[in-house]
Amino acid sequence: QSVLTQPPSVSAAPGQKVTISCSGSSSNIGNNFVSWYHQLPGTAPKLLIYDNNKRPSGIPDRFSGSKSGTSATLGITGLQTGDEADYYCGTWDTSLSTVLFGGGTQLTVL
Amino acid sequence: QVQLQESGPGLVKPSQTLSLSCSVSGGSISSGGYYWSWIRQHPGKGLEWIGYIYNSGSTYYNPSLKSRVTISVDTSKNQFSLKLSSVTAADTAVYYCASWLGHCSGGSCWGYFQHWGQGTLVAVSS
Repeated sequence: QSVLTQPPSVSAAPGQKVTISCSGSSSNIGNNFVSWYHQLPGTAPKLLIYDNNKRPSGIPDRFSGSKSGTSATLGITGLQTGDEADYYCGTWDTSLSTVLFGGGTQLTVL
Repeated sequence: QVQLQESGPGLVKPSQTLSLSCSVSGGSISSGGYYWSWIRQHPGKGLEWIGYIYNSGSTYYNPSLKSRVTISVDTSKNQFSLKLSSVTAADTAVYYCASWLGHCSGGSCWGYFQHWGQGTLVAVSS
């Protein structure tokens, strides 16, 4: 059971929008930056969002991040079949003195 | 563009020490701002942070693994290494090295994993 809680799976149709939530506490998300990673099948994770809402170069603006209180959200618009992957949130936990990842959310584009 | 590549045995016997290296190209491991990291992923499971090291030698380890983990840096080879002792079948996983861009101070850290290696599967079995 992860300290950061993500829904195990989400799905939506091509072209639609989906959001993935990441719920934590004041010792992690509430007082630290959140990053998001996606992992295509059989590949290494890749950075999608850092510092809650910033996109690295090369990541399209279809991907967005936000944070409110002890929760963070990843948004993906204009869904494509190539977006099918596992998505993970990550942050530091001050109480546990460790980097935490969420349990991961599998995105299916129907 | 920084690139990372893991190397090491794909099979380790129980109770032995798992040893992996990560070669860094496209940048110097001595560059400030980066913490050189190890992360693992058990088959079909999520990501687990193992620890990271700064080029000064400062290390931060996952408390759940701290007693068995050593991460070190070899600046002359531009690589860093992971040693995990007393392994069991529960340590079977894909091991990733990654560059963590951020800052640690007073026991807290702020940052993110910017670049990742492709990962290497390590099985623990007799």
